[in-house]
Amino acid sequence: GAVVSQHPSWVICKSGTSVKIECRSLDFQATTMFWYRQFPKQSLMLMATSNEGSKATYEQGVEKDKFLINHASLTLSTLTVTSAHPEDSSFYICSARDRASNTEAFFGQGTRLTVV
Amino acid sequence: QKEVEQNSGPLSVPEGAIASLNCTYSDRVSQSFFWYRQYSGKSPELIMSIYSNGDKEDGRFTAQLNKASQYVSLLIRDSQPSDSATYLCAPVDSGAGSYQLTFGKGTKLSVIP
Repeated sequence: GAVVSQHPSWVICKSGTSVKIECRSLDFQATTMFWYRQFPKQSLMLMATSNEGSKATYEQGVEKDKFLINHASLTLSTLTVTSAHPEDSSFYICSARDRASNTEAFFGQGTRLTVV
Repeated sequence: QKEVEQNSGPLSVPEGAIASLNCTYSDRVSQSFFWYRQYSGKSPELIMSIYSNGDKEDGRFTAQLNKASQYVSLLIRDSQPSDSATYLCAPVDSGAGSYQLTFGKGTKLSVIP
C-alpha cells in the first residue's frame, strides 16, 4: 500500500508552546488529508479535513485558531498545535487519500504529544 | 450525527478459533466500509474493505455487509495471538465528494495461546 510518513513520532513540549506535526505522502499525491485525535481508550475523532490549496474544514468543537492546518502541496500537510496545554496531550494521526484509489486512505504512524 | 456502534469487548478467543466482530452504523448513505486493526500505541492499518452486500474474503479475514440492516462484520479464522488488537469499523461518508471515515470505538480482541 501507499506510504504516509508522519513526523515526529512523539514530542514533549512545555505548556504554552507550539508544536508542528508533518504528514507526508511519500509515493502518491494526496488530494485530501485528514487529521484525527485519539485519547486513551477512545476512538479516533476527526479534527479536520484538509484539501490541497484550500482552507481546512474543521469538525464541530475543534478550534481552528488553536489547531492550524496547512496543506500547501499534494504531498505535505502540517498540523500546528498552538499554545499547547496539558489537555491537548493526545495521539494525533493523519491520513491521506490516494487520488488514484478513489476511496482508500492511508494512515501515518501517529504522533504522541505530551504537554507538560 | 453519524454513529458507529461496536462491542468494546474485550473479546477473548482461543488460538485457532474464529473471532467474530460486529458493527452497526446509523448513516444509511454509507456505501463503503473499512475494517482497521490498531495495535496499542500505533496508528490503524487497513485490513479489509467492502462495498457490496454479501461476503468478501481475504485470507483469514471475511467481511460481511448488510446495508439493509446497516450491519457489517468481520470474521477472523484460525485466530493467532498476533491478531490481538483493537478492530475499528469505519463507514465512509462520501457526501459532497468529501470522503470521511467515522470510526467506532473499536472492539478489543484478545487471542489466547
